[in-house]
Amino acid sequence: DAKTTQPNSMESNEEEPVHLPCNHSTISGTDYIHWYRQLPSQGPEYVIHGLTSNVNNRMASLAIAEDRKSSTLILHRATLRDAAVYYCILKTSYDKVIFGPGTSLSVIP
Amino acid sequence: DSGVTQTPKHLITATGQRVTLRCSPRSGDLSVYWYQQSLDQGLQFLIQYYNGEERAKGNILERFSAQQFPDLHSELNLSSLELGDSALYFCASSPQREFTDTQYFGPGTRLTVL
Repeated sequence: DAKTTQPNSMESNEEEPVHLPCNHSTISGTDYIHWYRQLPSQGPEYVIHGLTSNVNNRMASLAIAEDRKSSTLILHRATLRDAAVYYCILKTSYDKVIFGPGTSLSVIP
Repeated sequence: DSGVTQTPKHLITATGQRVTLRCSPRSGDLSVYWYQQSLDQGLQFLIQYYNGEERAKGNILERFSAQQFPDLHSELNLSSLELGDSALYFCASSPQREFTDTQYFGPGTRLTVL
């Protein structure tokens, strides 16, 4: 079964870029890579997703390794409101979902 | 605010009891998903309904069941509750049936089993 690993925690200074890594070495060809974040006392919130190519949206960028065994979520300028737990998730078109353990991001003013 | 509502916000009950958690999806969304978040297991997908029909099943126990009604709201029924069922239960919704669609999560129901 596919599995994802993430660092338990990371710290960033406010207004600096943050690179959140995720390893998914057993990813299958049909697995999409999704990132969600969970702010304190809230439900998870969609951030970004991709299959093979790098993706950008208003919240973040997703860089996917050529072999797809790892990906990096990039927050271009961290703000205090970005402090959250970030989950890397594999979703298959066959309706399986593998959650990573999540990275708790702290943003230092 | 995601537009997904869940009731109740908190629920405290005893072992062996049965509870029902309710979810109203975003207007127009046809899919509803249920997730469990506990300290030891993290986030786990339980089940998906699409337009009233069960679409996908995850790590849902046999003691748990769900349904989606014609008005698209959904209920998750948990029976013969055990201490280990204490967790946050999230509902999410999406417009279509594909599991890879973006999902919008509700605020969750915190279940405490004593």
